[in-house]
Amino acid sequence: DTAVSQTPKYLVTQMGNDKSIKCEQNLGHDTMYWYKQDSKKFLKIMFSYNNKELIINETVPNRFSPKSPDKAHLNLHINSLELGDSAVYFCASSQVGGGNTDTQYFGPGTRLTVL
Amino acid sequence: GENVEQHPSTLSVQEGDSAVIKCTYSDSASNYFPWYKQELGKRPQLIIDIRSNVGEKKDQRIAVTLNKTAKHFSLHITETQPEDSAVYFCAASSTDKLIFGTGTRLQVFP
Repeated sequence: DTAVSQTPKYLVTQMGNDKSIKCEQNLGHDTMYWYKQDSKKFLKIMFSYNNKELIINETVPNRFSPKSPDKAHLNLHINSLELGDSAVYFCASSQVGGGNTDTQYFGPGTRLTVL
Repeated sequence: GENVEQHPSTLSVQEGDSAVIKCTYSDSASNYFPWYKQELGKRPQLIIDIRSNVGEKKDQRIAVTLNKTAKHFSLHITETQPEDSAVYFCAASSTDKLIFGTGTRLQVFP
């Protein structure tokens, strides 16, 4: 009955590798997001999708590529991982397109460590 | 760009005391202001929110006030308990997204 789920919960990898994080929501929401939370706990939006269409791309390096196969899923693929990519990545979803005035529900987070 | 400033960055109180966290925002079009609580190792969870058509909202021990003229809003927690210890984030809506504050680490000592 988990509303927003992410896999994996932990990801440890070497610099230069490519990895993916998956997110699924069963709330029937139209909009999904990826956030990055760094070691200082700052929460920064990376991407948002509304019904599979990219809405926000916050000047994230093009090594990061989101993919939304349907409105219940938003995956994040990262190429050529760098040390600075180490962070906790949160997926979130909200009811209506645009999302800025709707409650956002967060997934449990994926802690990525790049060695 | 648009931003949200949050103060203080850390706050320590004795159990039973009140705690106040303040945020200011820059986008005059912002009309939705949620507050999230994040416990250690957990996800941010909404605890209360307020929209621009009201100045105050209360839910048990938690209240939020909004001053649109001054572009600031505050979270008030009364009768704090150890389980209130967490990082609290304010946020303000801006075109198509929420802008989050930098967080306040609240510690409630028994």
